[in-house]
Amino acid sequence: AQSVTQLDSHVSVSEGTPVLLRCNYSSSYSPSLFWYVQHPNKGLQLLLKYTSAATLVKGINGFEAEFKKSETSFHLTKPSAHMSDAAEYFCVVSLYNQGGKLIFGQGTELSVKP
Amino acid sequence: NAGVMQNPRHLVRRRGQEARLRCSPMKGHSHVYWYRQLPEEGLKFMVYLQKENIIDESGMPKERFSAEFPKEGPSILRIQQVVRGDSAAYFCASSPPGRGVGPHNEQFFGPGTRLTVL
Repeated sequence: AQSVTQLDSHVSVSEGTPVLLRCNYSSSYSPSLFWYVQHPNKGLQLLLKYTSAATLVKGINGFEAEFKKSETSFHLTKPSAHMSDAAEYFCVVSLYNQGGKLIFGQGTELSVKP
Repeated sequence: NAGVMQNPRHLVRRRGQEARLRCSPMKGHSHVYWYRQLPEEGLKFMVYLQKENIIDESGMPKERFSAEFPKEGPSILRIQQVVRGDSAAYFCASSPPGRGVGPHNEQFFGPGTRLTVL
């Protein structure tokens, strides 16, 4: 079965320090991978996506993620956190043989301290 | 190009009533997906529809829940005889025609409908 595991339910960083949100996936097929962000009581916004082109993917707001097939990982990083980055982040996998259905990780809540 | 629209944004129902949630996909999008987010959890897939067809309803509860995407008008998620456990945020997403991995699978999400069952 295909799945996504976000290794941390909550991450807290200080403003200006790096952010690392970890994600591992399991899949029998080449997946498409996404990171979405959800601000409180809001919808989901796509941060970035991996679609089997470059393994280092750059997204919006300074975020990037690296696809590592050998480690089945797709960790999200940002060099310097901003207060506005505080939100819930979801790692998501989509599989060709699942008809476009998205499988969400449990989410990681990012807190940013001043 | 307006984004995915959902209404109402908030819906309160008493146990036993019906809830109807509406989703208008982005212009030109023919695929609609419904997801449910329970408190403190990630989103769970419910159903995938194309115009007048249910493609995958493997995530839908077997009873009380139904979905449609008619030829004209929005997609509707209908919950009959609601119970407190149905309280959740329901998100709709749409994607353009095409299939397979990659950009064609990017889904654009609406703001969600937050259902509260009293």
